Amino acid sequence: ELKVEQNPLFLSMQEGKNYTIYCNYSTTSDRLYWYRQDPGKSLESLFVLLSNGAVKQEGRLMASLDTKARLSTLHITAAVHDLSATYFCAGRVGQFYFGTGTSLTVIP
Amino acid sequence: GAGVSQSPSNKVTEKGKDVELRCDPISGHTALYWYRQSLGQGLEFLIYFQGNSAPDKSGLPSDRFSAERTGGSVSTLTIQRTQQEDSAVYLCASSSRTEYEAFFGQGTRLTVV
Repeated sequence: ELKVEQNPLFLSMQEGKNYTIYCNYSTTSDRLYWYRQDPGKSLESLFVLLSNGAVKQEGRLMASLDTKARLSTLHITAAVHDLSATYFCAGRVGQFYFGTGTSLTVIP
Repeated sequence: GAGVSQSPSNKVTEKGKDVELRCDPISGHTALYWYRQSLGQGLEFLIYFQGNSAPDKSGLPSDRFSAERTGGSVSTLTIQRTQQEDSAVYLCASSSRTEYEAFFGQGTRLTVV
């Protein structure tokens, strides 16, 4: 079974600041995924990281993968209020195994 | 359709009744997943279908829960004799062999009263 741990669980940050969400996983996963969930909504795919050293960026979000350390990070640059949401990372061995999520609140 | 479609979007049922939740995956997607999410919680895996292989039912919480996938497309999740603890949002997702991520439907919010 693949175990996925995220931290922090809750993150409150001011607009304009930078921060990183961490995702550790226990065993080999073919890929690492990041999703966003707005309150009352479903999950939206953000990034798929395919291999060691992969880095993907979309706007103020950048995700990276270190398969040797079994670690993925989601870095937020110069946060804005629109980024407030819950972010999930997930690995996949057959089914998707999700982390507990990081609830991000960006304060004006 | 363009995305994963789930119906109904909301369902209120009395304790002890049976309910059926439907999922229409993206056309051509061979894999289909069911998860549930309780208020403010993470995602709990229920069941996974991949093509014609036997489904992975390891996440079903009790024998009151069952799911089928007909013709490799539409899936129905059935909950018998519903209990209040079954109240949650039930999410369906699908993925293909060539695409990487799973695409989620909008979910069915089930409330057992």
